Amino acid sequence: EAGVAQSPRYKIIEKRQSVAFWCNPISGHATLYWYQQILGQGPKLLIQFQNNGVVDDSQLPKDRFSAERLKGVDSTLKIQPAKLEDSAVYLCASSLSLTSGYYEQYFGPGTRLTVT
Amino acid sequence: RKEVEQDPGPFNVPEGATVAFNCTYSNSASQSFFWYRQDCRKEPKLLMSVYSSGNEDGRFTAQLNRASQYISLLIRDSKLSDSATYLCVVMARNEKLTFGTGTRLTIIP
Repeated sequence: EAGVAQSPRYKIIEKRQSVAFWCNPISGHATLYWYQQILGQGPKLLIQFQNNGVVDDSQLPKDRFSAERLKGVDSTLKIQPAKLEDSAVYLCASSLSLTSGYYEQYFGPGTRLTVT
Repeated sequence: RKEVEQDPGPFNVPEGATVAFNCTYSNSASQSFFWYRQDCRKEPKLLMSVYSSGNEDGRFTAQLNRASQYISLLIRDSKLSDSATYLCVVMARNEKLTFGTGTRLTIIP
């Protein structure tokens, strides 16, 4: 079974530039999550989708971050404009669904973003 | 108070020893609990779920104390391959996961 795919794996940009990350969840997984993991910390949830609807985006800095999952499958996360403090690993995860009773989240390899 | 608190370590433990981690959580309405393992520069992976009655998987034992709001992980007969960061994870009713900062474990030969 293919896992969660993410691209790019690494990205280096200058502050004030824009960047986009892509995620393709495991086939059949209705729930998709984007996390930000800063070095030395645990992952922090940015946004959670159930199919193409947003379930939780309370910790998404909406002035600069946006995410979409238009067809309920793959998703993109965008940062515009980037700040130095956005340097982190951006992890995408998926799980079966909010109603399945199976809560395990499967993570992709992440995108390591460096903002200079 | 942080939602999920862990001792960041590092724990440096000789091979074959037993090591235990604790984690406390602040939301008494939390529904489910997990331990994830994260290797250096890799993504987190589910190690085990934590059930109210406690559960064991080989050398790993997880326990939940709802009254005191803490979760524990015990690793027996530790092996070099157990070296990793162990993330305590708490799930709320809407299935939002909150991760602790992780406890770094190094097994020394």
